[in-house]
Amino acid sequence: DIQMTQSPSSLSASVGDRVTITCQASQDLKIYLNWYQYKPGKAPKLLIYDASKLAIGVPSRFSGRGSGTDFTFTISSLQPEDIATYYCQQYNNLITFGPGTKVDFK
Amino acid sequence: QVQLVQSGAEVKKPGASVKLSCKTSGYTFTAYYMHWVRQAPGQGLEWVGRIDPKNGATNYAQKFQGRVTVTRDTSSSTAYMELIRLRSDDTAVYFCMRGSGSDSSPVWSQGTQVTVSS
Repeated sequence: DIQMTQSPSSLSASVGDRVTITCQASQDLKIYLNWYQYKPGKAPKLLIYDASKLAIGVPSRFSGRGSGTDFTFTISSLQPEDIATYYCQQYNNLITFGPGTKVDFK
Repeated sequence: QVQLVQSGAEVKKPGASVKLSCKTSGYTFTAYYMHWVRQAPGQGLEWVGRIDPKNGATNYAQKFQGRVTVTRDTSSSTAYMELIRLRSDDTAVYFCMRGSGSDSSPVWSQGTQVTVSS
């Protein structure tokens, strides 16, 4: 199985801050990586697919980059509705989720 | 539009089994993998397994091998996940998720709560 790590596991930020999360895979994923936003009681929401492509309807403050084993997810200006847990997820070989990064307000 | 509708919440005793359903509509059922994902209290999203509805081929996360079976009924465009020998740490919200295609994103169900308690 492919192992995924994410850092940090949690972070506190203020409205308007730039937030960056990193994700590392144990094997080469090429670009087959998604980023999801998860809020309890709701289905996970796809934000980024193929490592850097913005999903339909997702605000442009969300972005992703990377390939191979190292990936980065950024919220350029944190908004109140962005408080959630964020997961990277590989789909190069079956599916594996990262452990998640909980984002809340400072 | 594409919809995935799951069966209702379940409460089970340790050692019992649960079988969840995921009825789909709005797309060709056999054209996309169907995955099962769970989220336990205080834990992250966890992939359980998948089925290729076209031929019934399955893959499971190593953690669930031997305890989980994913099946499908193409006549009703429904996927199923059965988990046996339930433990308290199987308490979670279980989602079915249609896989992505060349021009389509993943689609998630609303989730079903499974509670395992004596």
